[in-house]
Amino acid sequence: DAMVIQNPRYQVTQFGKPVTLSCSQTLNHNVMYWYQQKSSQAPKLLFHYYDKDFNNEADTPDNFQSRRPNTSFCFLDIRSPGLGDAAMYLCATSSLFGQQETQYFGPGTRLLVL
Amino acid sequence: AQRVTQPEKLLSVFKGAPVELKCNYSYSGSPELFWYVQYSRQRLQLLLRHISRESIKGFTADLNKGETSFHLKKPFAQEEDSAMYYCALDNQGGKLIFGQGTELSVKP
Repeated sequence: DAMVIQNPRYQVTQFGKPVTLSCSQTLNHNVMYWYQQKSSQAPKLLFHYYDKDFNNEADTPDNFQSRRPNTSFCFLDIRSPGLGDAAMYLCATSSLFGQQETQYFGPGTRLLVL
Repeated sequence: AQRVTQPEKLLSVFKGAPVELKCNYSYSGSPELFWYVQYSRQRLQLLLRHISRESIKGFTADLNKGETSFHLKKPFAQEEDSAMYYCALDNQGGKLIFGQGTELSVKP
């Protein structure tokens, strides 16, 4: 009964080699988020989609892009991963975008950059 | 700048002892605060939010605007409470700022 699914759970890529992480949801939520969590640090919001509207955080590097082809799926593309991009990447969803909304998280994808 | 601070990386208590996980925030507006929890090998999930003023699994949290705190409390810790706890602030109607987390370890 997984509601927010992330694949793969572990991803190994090479320095500079593009990589895509995927997230899908069965909740039919309007909003999808991507967070980056480095070791022993807080999850940090990279961007979110409200329906098809893309919203980038001001300090998210240009190296990170996202696609949302439909309500259920959202992808995180890292164009040229550096060693500093090794982290856990968390996908989350919420029904609406607002202060009262609960965010539902996926299990995360741990990215290793060699 | 909006920020959430959890001063303790690790908190270790014995079963049955009271627990308080500290959270302080800085925010210029009217804050919306949450506690999220991550049990071992599980995903991050909402524990409680201040607006609901509810007790979940025996945990409560009170917003103290004067001290800019939102500490999480439980009078009698259980072993199954062992987990990573994150305090989070909603700064723009949906964008969460997380603290670094406190690992709670409840010993038998």
